[in-house]
This record gives sequence, structure tokens and C-alpha cells, in this order.
Amino acid sequence: QVQLVQSGAEVKKPGASVKVSCKASGYTFTTYAMAWVRQAPGQGLEWMGWISGDNGNTNYAQKFQGRVTMTTDTSTSTVYMEMRSLRSDDTAIYYCARLKGYCIGGFCYGGSGNWFDPWGQGSLVTVSS
Amino acid sequence: NFMLTQPHSVSESPGKTVTISCTRSSGSIASDYVHWYQQRPGSAPTTVIYEDNKRPSGVPDRFSGSIDSSANSASLTISGLKTEDEADYYCQSYESSNDVFGTGTKVTVL
Repeated sequence: QVQLVQSGAEVKKPGASVKVSCKASGYTFTTYAMAWVRQAPGQGLEWMGWISGDNGNTNYAQKFQGRVTMTTDTSTSTVYMEMRSLRSDDTAIYYCARLKGYCIGGFCYGGSGNWFDPWGQGSLVTVSS
Repeated sequence: NFMLTQPHSVSESPGKTVTISCTRSSGSIASDYVHWYQQRPGSAPTTVIYEDNKRPSGVPDRFSGSIDSSANSASLTISGLKTEDEADYYCQSYESSNDVFGTGTKVTVL
């Protein structure tokens, strides 16, 4: 079955960087893009962007452009999300989620009609001095 | 970008039916698919409806989705409510290279 297993909780100081990993299994990694979504404590879901599984193309939400970098390691079927210049309001659970629904030639990307399935278990990032 | 607005909370007794709305602020609700996620406390979201009205395997047919173009909104209906349905529910759609989530609705089973 498809599984996304994320790295553990992190505590960072303001201004630092964090890198969260998401290891995929149960499917051909390169055929699906992966998205990142975060959820601040007691708040709703916020889309951050996605990275394609085949060529590493990315699409970031405008809010995160310049501060977030998503990368892949196809040899280990792992996706990474790095965020820099952390602030206290970046404290949140960060989820990876496989993208479905917008598929061309057997490869699925972010695009019209896409949805998120399945999701990783989440990684709590706490930013505190 | 557009917004998707949901009621903050709904509550109903077991066995009853609840309907959660998801209203799009600008642009047509029919311009792209709407998907729905269930998030139980302490867990990651899971898909309950995709592409407006389709159920993933394993999701009971008590869950259904629809679109109302006249109201520019989508709806998730849960019939035969069970205590296990108590959760937060989010709608999601897409436009111009951006995904948007709804504000979320807490469903309480009395």
C-alpha cells in the first residue's frame, strides 16, 4: 500500500532553518508529484507548493517563494522541504501529500483538478526562542 | 486568489444527516473540481470525496458530494451519522497554479 513516512519533530530558534523529509513507498516514486501542506495549532490547512517526482519541477505558493525549497532524492524515494528564516508563526504540523488527478502520459503533477492522497503522518516544527 | 468559506461548526445526533457547505468567493465553483477531506483529532487528513462527488474505495456511501452552481458552492452530506464521523472537514479546489483549502468545519455528533 502507498505510505508516506515523515521525519520527526523539530524545535528551532527564530531565524534558523529546518528540513523535513517524506519517504514514499508502495508506488513508482517518479510518477507522482508531492505537495506540502501545513497546519498551525488549532488552525486550518495551508497549501505550500509541490514538486514533481520525475524532473524536480516546483510550484510554490507566493507566500513561501524565496523561503522554501522542495527537493527530491529519487534513489531513496524521498522528498524534502526546507524552510529558512523561521519565525514563531511558522510553528505548525507540516504534511506531505501525494498529488493525484492531473496526469499526463502516466505522470501526475499539480494542476487543474488535483487532490491530495494519501498524506504523511505530519512533522511538528516548533519555532521558539 | 479565491477563498472557500465553510461554516465553523455543525452538530447533529447519531443517525441524522448533516450537510456542510463550501462557498467560493470569486470565480465559478464549477471551474474546477472540489475535493473533501476528513481530519480526525490528532490524525492526518484523508480523502472522503474527490472530483466533486466520487468516493475513494473504503469510504462508506453515507458520504456524498455535490455542486450547486446557482449558490456557487459545493456540499458534503453525511447521512446516517455515526460517532466516528466526528471530525474536521475541509474542502479544496484549484485555480491558476494554486490550491486552496476551505476554512474547515467541525462536525460534532451529539
